Amino acid sequence: ILNVEQSPQSLHVQEGDSTNFTCSFPSSNFYALHWYRWETAKSPEALFVMTLNGDEKKKGRISATLNTKEGYSYLYIKGSQPEDSATYLCAFETNTGNQFYFGTGTSLTVIP
Amino acid sequence: DGGITQSPKYLFRKEGQNVTLSCEQNLNHDAMYWYRQDPGQGLRLIYYSQIVNDFQKGDIAEGYSVSREKKESFPLTVTSAQKNPTAFYLCASKPSPAYNQPQHFGDGTRLSIL
Repeated sequence: ILNVEQSPQSLHVQEGDSTNFTCSFPSSNFYALHWYRWETAKSPEALFVMTLNGDEKKKGRISATLNTKEGYSYLYIKGSQPEDSATYLCAFETNTGNQFYFGTGTSLTVIP
Repeated sequence: DGGITQSPKYLFRKEGQNVTLSCEQNLNHDAMYWYRQDPGQGLRLIYYSQIVNDFQKGDIAEGYSVSREKKESFPLTVTSAQKNPTAFYLCASKPSPAYNQPQHFGDGTRLSIL
């Protein structure tokens, strides 16, 4: 079982603050790194799929970067809003099968 | 609207009983997955299927069984051999077994032991 780690486990920020969190994954057998957003009582929703070292993707106020050589990805949220409150999951997709390995998530609470 | 439907939302199992969790998708996706979530742990793969009538074990398949007789359906049976079945179960799908596609998820089923 591959080890995917996310930090911090939880985060409370004030509305308007910018924040970021980390996903660490094995640097071998890498195919893609996925980010999901999971709101309470809803299903996880895909944010980004990243494959190339140095990739940077953006969706509104949320962006992500990827470093496959050292095995980490950062997710950034600029000017956090209460509706950004959710758990953010990353998943490592290997090049040796059709499996995703998920981190435990970072729970973000944005305080109005 | 296209999506994945899991039922029931809550399920209770008596000791020694088998229970089946339903997962149906109308997205015309080939690949389907079952995950289990326990407190403080990431989603762990139980079984996955890349095509009808074919499925593979994930990392924690012991005590579970699946079938894939129809493209849109991938039910999970939690057997009496699964000694610690209390968990949250998520079903997912993606268009094909090809790499680089995000998974789509259902809303989950929470299973508890009576």
